[in-house]
Amino acid sequence: SYVLTQPPSVSVAPGKTARITCGGNNIGSKSVHWYQQKPGQAPVLVIYYDSDRPSGIPERFSGSNSGNTATLTISRVEAGDEADYYCQVWDSSSDHNCVFGGGTKLTVL
Amino acid sequence: EVQLVQSGAEVKKPGESLKISCKGSGYSFTSYWIGWVRQMPGKGLEWMGIIYPGDSDTRYSPSFQGQVTISADKSISTAYLQWSSLKASDTAMYYCARYLGVGAAFDYWGQGTLVTVSS
Repeated sequence: SYVLTQPPSVSVAPGKTARITCGGNNIGSKSVHWYQQKPGQAPVLVIYYDSDRPSGIPERFSGSNSGNTATLTISRVEAGDEADYYCQVWDSSSDHNCVFGGGTKLTVL
Repeated sequence: EVQLVQSGAEVKKPGESLKISCKGSGYSFTSYWIGWVRQMPGKGLEWMGIIYPGDSDTRYSPSFQGQVTISADKSISTAYLQWSSLKASDTAMYYCARYLGVGAAFDYWGQGTLVTVSS
């Protein structure tokens, strides 16, 4: 089965740029979606189809996907961005098989 | 406004059965898939399975096949997740979420249902 690998944690100072990676075999050929989950809350979609932003998500959130790595980039990080972030793809080798990455805890220093 | 509203928290004993629900509103319930996602305490998201309420087409993650049953009643815009015999290891938060089809993102999520299984 398809595996997505995320770093367990990323730390960044306020105002700086955070980059959260999601590794997978030839992930560049798949569509990657990213979710933000704050403590005690349901996940929220922040990036879909690699780099599109849902309405209401700040422009500071962006995404890219190429080769074996997809990246969620958060510019001008704010304290309110501290959360867990998950990448997600559909495994095309199995019909309707959804795969989540293990999640990355973003800490704002 | 699109909403997915889940049933309330449950406390059950091992061996008991349970059915939790997810009611959709603000969109055509039969035009989107509904997925179920488990989150065990302090852990990440795990996809359990999906259902298309339009025709009840249902798919399961291999990890959850045979462990749970997913169903839907399109007449009341509600999807369900059920267990016939709960185990302590089923203790988790369960989320429903909708998506348009294979390749798409889960764009709206329910608030979650906490299931606690303890003797």
